[in-house]
Amino acid sequence: DIQMTQAPSSLPASLGDRVTITCRASQDIGNYLRWFQQKPGKSPRLMIYGATNLAAGVPSRFSGSRSGSDYSLTISSLESEDMADYYCLQSKESPYTFGAGTKLELK
Amino acid sequence: EVQLVETGGGLVQPGKSLKLTCATSGFTFSNAWMHWVRQSPEKQLEWVAQIKAKSNNYATYYAESVKGRFTISRDDSKSSVYLQMNSLKEEDTAIYYCTWRVGGFDYWGQGVMVTVSS
Repeated sequence: DIQMTQAPSSLPASLGDRVTITCRASQDIGNYLRWFQQKPGKSPRLMIYGATNLAAGVPSRFSGSRSGSDYSLTISSLESEDMADYYCLQSKESPYTFGAGTKLELK
Repeated sequence: EVQLVETGGGLVQPGKSLKLTCATSGFTFSNAWMHWVRQSPEKQLEWVAQIKAKSNNYATYYAESVKGRFTISRDDSKSSVYLQMNSLKEEDTAIYYCTWRVGGFDYWGQGVMVTVSS
């Protein structure tokens, strides 16, 4: 099975900060990587698909990148509405696997 | 508008069974590959099962943690997907989501809570 190692688990940050969350895949997943945002009591929301593509309606301050087996989600200038949990998902092959999640919170 | 609505959750004793239903609308269900994903009380997301379309012989796939206990199925005439859960364990306690992903879109239901406890 493909393991997705996500870091950090918690990320205290200030409004306006540039923040980056990373997932490392244990095997080649190509660009089959999605990023989700989840707020309390809500279902996950797709932010990035295909490792680098912005999903519909997602603000342009969000971006995704890839370097080898490392995949990153970056928020260029943090806003209050971005405080949430973030998860990566490899969708290359079954069993599909999520990262453990990152809690983005105000410092 | 795409909608996925899960029902059938509740409190159940260990070893018992429960069947979840996901009723969908707003897209061509018969062509869709559907998934169940769950989220534990510790907030960890776990993919549970997938069922492909008729053109793919309704192929099914399962997480190792549920293989042999859970069965995913679908009824294209009702645009619905199901998750039959047998021999439930306390560690199956979670919110269960029905999901559909296609290209740059990923649709999730509101989720249904399943609690396994004596």
